[in-house]
Amino acid sequence: GAVVSQHPSWVICKSGTSVKIECRSLDFQATTMFWYRQFPKQSLMLMATSNEGSKATYEQGVEKDKFLINHASLTLSTLTVTSAHPEDSSFYICSAAAIPASTDTQYFGPGTRLTVL
Amino acid sequence: RKEVEQDPGPFNVPEGATVAFNCTYSNSASQSFFWYRQDCRKEPKLLMSVYSSGNEDGRFTAQLNRASQYISLLIRDSKLSDSATYLCVVNTGFKTIFGAGTRLFVKA
Repeated sequence: GAVVSQHPSWVICKSGTSVKIECRSLDFQATTMFWYRQFPKQSLMLMATSNEGSKATYEQGVEKDKFLINHASLTLSTLTVTSAHPEDSSFYICSAAAIPASTDTQYFGPGTRLTVL
Repeated sequence: RKEVEQDPGPFNVPEGATVAFNCTYSNSASQSFFWYRQDCRKEPKLLMSVYSSGNEDGRFTAQLNRASQYISLLIRDSKLSDSATYLCVVNTGFKTIFGAGTRLFVKA
């Protein structure tokens, strides 16, 4: 099946620093990638939808200047948490759609656990 | 009202038991439905899609009731390895919405 990787798998950083998370589709081209955040014991919350070569579409309440998304190629999307604060500590998961612009078939990365001290 | 609602559980069942989860959704125009499984500190993994006619995959049976806007998952002959959080997922055609999940613990 389709494989999606994320790097790093976990990161601990000081408050105020920026953290970049990479999401790669390893064996297929992903026109659309999704970024989710999950707090403990809560559901996955979609943060943004990223289409290759265009600006990401952010969900209501997600600050686009704080969570920078770049989808420069068909196999790579990055999420940068700028000036991270403790409340940004969460589990960040990306997914990639094998079918262009489809929300149906999503393959998830293993997630990145971010802890901001 | 949440767009997708699930009983958070936890459901504690012995091995071999049959357990059922329900999930309700609010958008009547929702187009596709899924059950995902998420283990602790891991990413969600697709368990099965849910079709109007109902579908079965081994010990797992999923059903959809569009009139009442709910979907269900039945697990027969529970195994210890079934212990996980089960996420109900609804696709509205514009976005995918995850339920908060139902936790299942299967005990020996």
